Amino acid sequence: AQSVAQPEDQVNVAEGNPLTVKCTYSVSGNPYLFWYVQYPNRGLQFLLKYITGDNLVKGSYGFEAEFNKSQTSFHLKKPSALVSDSALYFCAVRDLGSGGSTLGRLYFGRGTQLTVWP
Amino acid sequence: GAVVSQHPSRVICKSGTSVKIECRSLDFQATTMFWYRQFPKKSLMLMATSNEGSKATYEQGVEKDKFLINHASLTLSTLTVTSAHPEDSSFYICSARDQRTGDGYTFGSGTRLTVV
Repeated sequence: AQSVAQPEDQVNVAEGNPLTVKCTYSVSGNPYLFWYVQYPNRGLQFLLKYITGDNLVKGSYGFEAEFNKSQTSFHLKKPSALVSDSALYFCAVRDLGSGGSTLGRLYFGRGTQLTVWP
Repeated sequence: GAVVSQHPSRVICKSGTSVKIECRSLDFQATTMFWYRQFPKKSLMLMATSNEGSKATYEQGVEKDKFLINHASLTLSTLTVTSAHPEDSSFYICSARDQRTGDGYTFGSGTRLTVV
């Protein structure tokens, strides 16, 4: 079974400082990993994904994530945080499975609230 | 890029009535759509997987007779909350998989349902 864990409910950083939002995963087989961001009362916006290739994935709004197979992690990072980055961030893994109706569904972590203060 | 339109964005209804939420893929065909429910400051709970032309697959604990899902075309899935009660008040989000991009999932903007 696929699952992701986001160990931090809340991350607080000062504007201009680097930020990291943690995610670890558990999959059978090769992972397809995603990061999404959600602003209040809005749907989820895609940030980036890892399917294969370079372990460092660059995404939208200056975010990047590093896939680490040995640590089964996919932490989201940004070198310099902005106040406008404050939002709820979700890590997700795709169910590859063996077929059937759950194929293609995403398993989400519980979310990490990022607050960037001025 | 792929766009998913979800309507309404906000709805208030009386207890006992039914509410329909629409999810449309605007520029791509989606054979599969997903319906999620999100509680305040909580993660997304997958309710069901909607498959075009066939019955939806519901997650364990989700009442299929209460949350009716119809996916009659490749661009439209609907979720109907029947005989709504205050405990059904929540934020509902749909998602569609754009198979053109291989692994892209696009989310609707969500529907805030309040049952009074």
